[in-house]
Formats: sequence, C-alpha cells, structure tokens
Amino acid sequence: EVQLVESGGGLVQTGGSLRLSCAASGFTFSTNWMHWVRQAPGKGLVWVSRISSDGTTTTYADSVQGRFTISRDNAKNTLYLQMNSLRADDTAMYFCATTSHASGYWYFDLWGRGTLITVSS
Amino acid sequence: DIQMTQSPSSLSASVGDRVSITCRASQNINSYLNWYQQKPGKAPKLLIYAASSLQSGVPSRFSGSGSGTDFTLTISSLQPEDFATYYCQQSYSIIRTFGQGTQVEIK
Repeated sequence: EVQLVESGGGLVQTGGSLRLSCAASGFTFSTNWMHWVRQAPGKGLVWVSRISSDGTTTTYADSVQGRFTISRDNAKNTLYLQMNSLRADDTAMYFCATTSHASGYWYFDLWGRGTLITVSS
Repeated sequence: DIQMTQSPSSLSASVGDRVSITCRASQNINSYLNWYQQKPGKAPKLLIYAASSLQSGVPSRFSGSGSGTDFTLTISSLQPEDFATYYCQQSYSIIRTFGQGTQVEIK
C-alpha cells in the first residue's frame, strides 16, 4: 500500500526539541522530493520545509528557518524533521507529503495522516 | 513570498447547488495552482492540479479554471460528501503557499 506514516509527536515544553519521522512505503521514496506541512488547531495549511530526493537541497519557511532541520534516510525510506527551540506557535498537526509533477506542474499527491505537536510552558 | 487569498472564507449551500470558490495570487503564477479538499481530522486530498487538470479518481463535478493571478474552483452539483474545507496552493515559487481555506457548510 502506498502510504506515509508520521510519528514522534507529543507534548513538549517551550524551548524544547522534538524529532518527527515519516515512514514511506509502496513507492520509490528515493526518487521523490518530500515536504512537511503543518496546521495549527482550527487553522489553515502552512508549508514548512522540503528536501530533494537525494537530500542535498533543503528549503525552509521563514518561521522555522534556523530552528528546524529536514533530513532523510533513503535506505530506511524515512523522512525526518528535527525541531529545536520550540515555541507555542509551533503547536500544530504536522503532515509529511510527497510531490509529483506533470509537465513541470508540481503538486502534493500523497499525504500522511499527521502527528500532533503541542508546545506548552 | 507569494500570498494566496481565497474568497469567500466560508459559504453555506444546499445539495445540488453550483458552488464556486475564488483564489487570487499576489503575483502572476501562470497555471501553477492546485486545489485540495480537507475533511475534519483528515489529510488534504488533491482535487485539481495545474489550475484545471482533474486528479485521477476525482469526480468530474469538480473543475478548475484561471491563470495568472485569478483562479476558480467550481463544484457543479454539490453532494453531501463535498462538505469540507477547500484550499488553493501555488507551486510557482520554491516557498509553497496555501490560501487560508474556504469552508463549505450545509445550508
């Protein structure tokens, strides 16, 4: 079955750290760009970060730049998000997603079910 | 970053109604525009990519149009399973951005 399964979420104190994982199966993980997207409770979708298929290119939203690090292990078919210096406004459901493209038009076509991060003092 | 603005933020409609949601980009994004549907507690689901291409398996009552800065998602005849929140998203820029969402509710 083609799927993404996130894990690693939970309750963390302000200023703390957490590492999220996203296990991929059913497709060739090593050929896909991967992304993290988050959604605060009752709010909209916000793109967080992306990583190239070989892990050499990464991009971050300004809100997480310098605090979050995206990485991947293609041998384990797993995507990661290391989250440091966590703030209350990082509280959200975190989704991993992969993209496909048609004629150069990219889109998120496979999403995980998400893992919830709650940052509290 | 490219800002995406959807309107309306919410709407109430009845089964069988024709519904349109608008998305405006803060700059020209050609046809690099996707639409997603999200139901409570679920991951988003791709409906439309490249502004007007229907994703495989998505009912034909969903359609997308537009290019440049103005885009529209249309549901030709609203069905009970279509009550959800809809998001547009641009893929023109490396920094992907979403609209704020449009919640479609039952009248």
